[in-house]
Amino acid sequence: AQSVAQPEDQVNVAEGNPLTVKCTYSVSGNPYLFWYVQYPNRGLQFLLKYITGDNLVKGSYGFEAEFNKSQTSFHLKKPSALVSDSALYFCAVRDALSGGYNKLIFGAGTRLAVHP
Amino acid sequence: EPEVTQTPSHQVTQMGQEVILRCVPISNHLYFYWYRQILGQKVEFLVSFYNNEISEKSEIFDDQFSVERPDGSNFTLKIRSTKLEDSAMYFCASSDPGQGYHEQFFGPGTRLTVL
Repeated sequence: AQSVAQPEDQVNVAEGNPLTVKCTYSVSGNPYLFWYVQYPNRGLQFLLKYITGDNLVKGSYGFEAEFNKSQTSFHLKKPSALVSDSALYFCAVRDALSGGYNKLIFGAGTRLAVHP
Repeated sequence: EPEVTQTPSHQVTQMGQEVILRCVPISNHLYFYWYRQILGQKVEFLVSFYNNEISEKSEIFDDQFSVERPDGSNFTLKIRSTKLEDSAMYFCASSDPGQGYHEQFFGPGTRLTVL
Protein backbone atom coordinates (compact mmCIF):
# COMPACT_ATOMS: atom_id res chain seq x y z
CA ALA A 1 0.00 0.00 0.00
CA GLN A 2 1.12 3.52 -0.70
CA SER A 3 1.92 5.74 2.26
CA VAL A 4 3.71 8.93 3.18
CA ALA A 5 5.24 9.80 6.52
CA GLN A 6 6.13 13.25 7.73
CA PRO A 7 7.77 12.53 11.07
CA GLU A 8 7.69 16.08 12.42
CA ASP A 9 4.45 17.81 13.35
CA GLN A 10 6.27 21.14 13.53
CA VAL A 11 9.61 22.54 12.49
CA ASN A 12 10.91 25.76 14.03
CA VAL A 13 13.69 27.72 12.36
CA ALA A 14 15.14 31.20 12.63
CA GLU A 15 14.84 33.52 9.67
CA GLY A 16 17.90 33.27 7.45
CA ASN A 17 18.76 29.76 8.58
CA PRO A 18 18.42 26.72 6.34
CA LEU A 19 15.30 24.61 6.75
CA THR A 20 14.49 20.97 6.13
CA VAL A 21 11.06 19.34 6.22
CA LYS A 22 11.26 15.57 6.15
CA CYS A 23 9.24 13.10 4.11
CA THR A 24 9.53 9.37 3.55
CA TYR A 25 7.31 7.30 1.30
CA SER A 26 6.29 3.78 0.43
CA VAL A 27 5.01 2.68 -2.99
CA SER A 28 5.08 -0.58 -4.89
CA GLY A 29 6.52 0.89 -8.07
CA ASN A 30 8.47 4.01 -8.89
CA PRO A 31 7.23 7.09 -7.08
CA TYR A 32 6.05 10.40 -8.37
CA LEU A 33 6.63 12.78 -5.45
CA PHE A 34 5.18 16.19 -4.74
CA TRP A 35 5.34 18.96 -2.17
CA TYR A 36 2.41 21.29 -1.55
CA VAL A 37 2.10 24.25 0.80
CA GLN A 38 -1.05 25.44 2.55
CA TYR A 39 -1.38 28.94 3.97
CA PRO A 40 -4.15 29.70 6.48
CA ASN A 41 -7.62 29.56 4.91
CA ARG A 42 -6.12 28.80 1.52
CA GLY A 43 -5.94 25.79 -0.76
CA LEU A 44 -2.95 23.64 -1.53
CA GLN A 45 -0.31 25.30 -3.65
CA PHE A 46 2.08 23.18 -5.67
CA LEU A 47 5.77 23.70 -4.83
CA LEU A 48 7.71 21.07 -6.73
CA LYS A 49 7.74 17.51 -8.01
CA TYR A 50 10.07 14.63 -8.70
CA ILE A 51 9.26 12.38 -11.64
CA THR A 52 12.58 11.16 -12.97
CA GLY A 53 16.10 12.40 -13.65
CA ASP A 54 18.19 14.59 -11.36
CA ASN A 55 17.61 13.73 -7.71
CA LEU A 56 17.66 17.41 -6.72
CA VAL A 57 14.62 19.25 -7.94
CA LYS A 58 14.01 22.97 -7.64
CA GLY A 59 10.63 24.55 -7.20
CA SER A 60 8.78 27.72 -6.34
CA TYR A 61 9.88 30.35 -3.80
CA GLY A 62 13.45 29.02 -3.58
CA PHE A 63 12.48 25.58 -2.31
CA GLU A 64 14.18 22.40 -3.43
CA ALA A 65 13.88 18.74 -2.58
CA GLU A 66 16.20 15.79 -2.80
CA PHE A 67 14.98 12.38 -3.89
CA ASN A 68 16.84 9.54 -2.20
CA LYS A 69 15.74 6.16 -3.51
CA SER A 70 17.73 4.05 -1.07
CA GLN A 71 16.27 5.90 1.91
CA THR A 72 12.84 6.34 0.25
CA SER A 73 12.94 9.99 1.21
CA PHE A 74 12.05 13.29 -0.41
CA HIS A 75 13.02 16.02 2.05
CA LEU A 76 12.10 19.62 1.34
CA LYS A 77 14.84 22.19 1.80
CA LYS A 78 15.52 25.87 1.54
CA PRO A 79 18.93 27.50 2.10
CA SER A 80 17.59 30.60 3.85
CA ALA A 81 14.17 30.67 5.51
CA LEU A 82 11.83 33.64 5.42
CA VAL A 83 9.12 34.49 7.93
CA SER A 84 6.67 34.35 5.02
CA ASP A 85 7.55 30.65 4.55
CA SER A 86 5.60 29.87 7.72
CA ALA A 87 2.80 27.53 6.61
CA LEU A 88 1.68 23.91 6.54
CA TYR A 89 3.66 21.69 4.17
CA PHE A 90 2.38 18.45 2.70
CA CYS A 91 4.36 15.73 0.98
CA ALA A 92 2.41 13.53 -1.46
CA VAL A 93 3.15 10.45 -3.53
CA ARG A 94 1.67 8.75 -6.54
CA ASP A 95 2.62 5.30 -7.77
CA ALA A 96 3.92 5.61 -11.35
CA LEU A 97 2.51 2.19 -12.22
CA SER A 98 -1.00 3.02 -11.19
CA GLY A 99 -2.29 4.87 -14.19
CA GLY A 100 -2.61 8.40 -15.40
CA TYR A 101 -5.26 9.63 -13.05
CA ASN A 102 -4.29 7.99 -9.82
CA LYS A 103 -4.89 9.55 -6.47
CA LEU A 104 -2.30 11.42 -4.48
CA ILE A 105 -1.53 10.05 -1.04
CA PHE A 106 -0.69 12.82 1.38
CA GLY A 107 1.36 12.90 4.53
CA ALA A 108 -0.07 14.35 7.71
CA GLY A 109 1.61 17.69 7.12
CA THR A 110 4.38 19.59 8.88
CA ARG A 111 3.85 23.04 10.26
CA LEU A 112 6.83 25.27 9.55
CA ALA A 113 7.31 28.22 11.87
CA VAL A 114 10.00 30.72 10.90
CA HIS A 115 10.68 33.28 13.59
CA PRO A 116 12.46 36.62 13.13
CA GLU B 1 -2.49 32.29 -14.36
CA PRO B 2 -5.44 29.88 -14.62
CA GLU B 3 -6.69 28.46 -11.36
CA VAL B 4 -9.29 26.12 -9.92
CA THR B 5 -12.18 27.91 -8.27
CA GLN B 6 -14.69 26.58 -5.74
CA THR B 7 -18.02 27.82 -4.42
CA PRO B 8 -19.17 28.43 -1.81
CA SER B 9 -16.17 29.09 0.40
CA HIS B 10 -18.19 28.06 3.45
CA GLN B 11 -21.37 25.99 3.63
CA VAL B 12 -23.34 25.40 6.80
CA THR B 13 -26.06 22.76 6.72
CA GLN B 14 -28.24 20.70 9.00
CA MET B 15 -27.60 17.00 9.43
CA GLY B 16 -29.59 15.02 6.88
CA GLN B 17 -29.70 17.79 4.30
CA GLU B 18 -28.27 17.55 0.81
CA VAL B 19 -25.38 19.77 -0.20
CA ILE B 20 -23.74 20.42 -3.54
CA LEU B 21 -20.20 21.72 -3.67
CA ARG B 22 -19.16 23.34 -6.90
CA CYS B 23 -15.84 23.56 -8.67
CA VAL B 24 -14.62 25.07 -11.90
CA PRO B 25 -11.45 23.23 -12.95
CA ILE B 26 -8.77 24.74 -15.16
CA SER B 27 -10.27 24.94 -18.63
CA ASN B 28 -8.03 22.57 -20.60
CA HIS B 29 -7.75 19.96 -17.86
CA LEU B 30 -9.41 16.59 -18.32
CA TYR B 31 -8.94 14.86 -14.96
CA PHE B 32 -10.85 16.01 -11.92
CA TYR B 33 -10.62 15.08 -8.27
CA TRP B 34 -12.20 15.68 -4.89
CA TYR B 35 -10.26 15.46 -1.66
CA ARG B 36 -11.26 16.31 1.87
CA GLN B 37 -9.42 17.42 4.98
CA ILE B 38 -11.06 16.97 8.35
CA LEU B 39 -9.83 19.64 10.75
CA GLY B 40 -6.37 18.78 12.01
CA GLN B 41 -6.06 15.68 9.85
CA LYS B 42 -4.41 14.79 6.57
CA VAL B 43 -5.79 15.44 3.11
CA GLU B 44 -7.71 12.36 1.93
CA PHE B 45 -8.61 11.31 -1.60
CA LEU B 46 -12.31 10.90 -2.33
CA VAL B 47 -12.76 10.39 -6.06
CA SER B 48 -11.23 10.93 -9.47
CA PHE B 49 -13.23 11.59 -12.63
CA TYR B 50 -12.31 11.34 -16.29
CA ASN B 51 -14.26 11.14 -19.53
CA ASN B 52 -17.55 11.61 -17.70
CA GLU B 53 -17.13 8.73 -15.35
CA ILE B 54 -15.54 7.90 -12.03
CA SER B 55 -12.02 6.55 -12.47
CA GLU B 56 -11.34 5.66 -8.88
CA LYS B 57 -12.97 6.21 -5.51
CA SER B 58 -11.95 5.67 -1.93
CA GLU B 59 -13.85 3.80 0.76
CA ILE B 60 -14.99 7.18 2.09
CA PHE B 61 -16.91 7.79 -1.15
CA ASP B 62 -19.98 5.73 -0.37
CA ASP B 63 -23.50 5.87 -1.80
CA GLN B 64 -24.15 9.19 -0.10
CA PHE B 65 -21.64 10.85 -2.41
CA SER B 66 -21.89 11.53 -6.12
CA VAL B 67 -20.03 13.61 -8.66
CA GLU B 68 -21.13 15.17 -11.88
CA ARG B 69 -19.86 17.34 -14.68
CA PRO B 70 -23.14 18.95 -15.68
CA ASP B 71 -21.66 21.17 -18.38
CA GLY B 72 -18.31 21.95 -19.94
CA SER B 73 -16.97 23.93 -17.02
CA ASN B 74 -18.40 22.80 -13.67
CA PHE B 75 -17.58 19.75 -11.57
CA THR B 76 -19.79 19.08 -8.57
CA LEU B 77 -19.73 16.93 -5.45
CA LYS B 78 -23.10 16.07 -3.94
CA ILE B 79 -23.64 14.67 -0.47
CA ARG B 80 -27.21 13.38 -0.30
CA SER B 81 -27.78 13.21 3.44
CA THR B 82 -25.06 14.91 5.40
CA LYS B 83 -23.69 13.53 8.65
CA LEU B 84 -21.83 15.34 11.40
CA GLU B 85 -18.64 13.54 10.36
CA ASP B 86 -18.88 15.04 6.86
CA SER B 87 -17.75 18.35 8.34
CA ALA B 88 -14.45 19.06 6.63
CA MET B 89 -12.67 21.19 4.05
CA TYR B 90 -13.37 19.82 0.58
CA PHE B 91 -10.81 20.47 -2.13
CA CYS B 92 -11.35 20.13 -5.84
CA ALA B 93 -8.34 19.52 -8.09
CA SER B 94 -7.71 19.11 -11.77
CA SER B 95 -4.84 17.93 -13.94
CA ASP B 96 -3.74 18.08 -17.54
CA PRO B 97 -2.76 14.88 -19.37
CA GLY B 98 -0.60 16.98 -21.66
CA GLN B 99 1.77 17.56 -18.77
CA GLY B 100 2.39 13.83 -18.70
CA TYR B 101 2.65 13.37 -14.99
CA HIS B 102 -0.62 14.72 -13.75
CA GLU B 103 0.47 17.43 -11.42
CA GLN B 104 -2.76 18.32 -9.67
CA PHE B 105 -3.87 21.90 -9.18
CA PHE B 106 -6.07 22.54 -6.16
CA GLY B 107 -8.82 25.00 -5.51
CA PRO B 108 -9.11 27.06 -2.32
CA GLY B 109 -11.58 24.63 -0.78
CA THR B 110 -15.11 24.70 0.60
CA ARG B 111 -15.47 24.44 4.34
CA LEU B 112 -18.54 22.31 5.07
CA THR B 113 -20.02 22.52 8.55
CA VAL B 114 -22.77 20.03 9.41
CA LEU B 115 -24.80 20.92 12.50
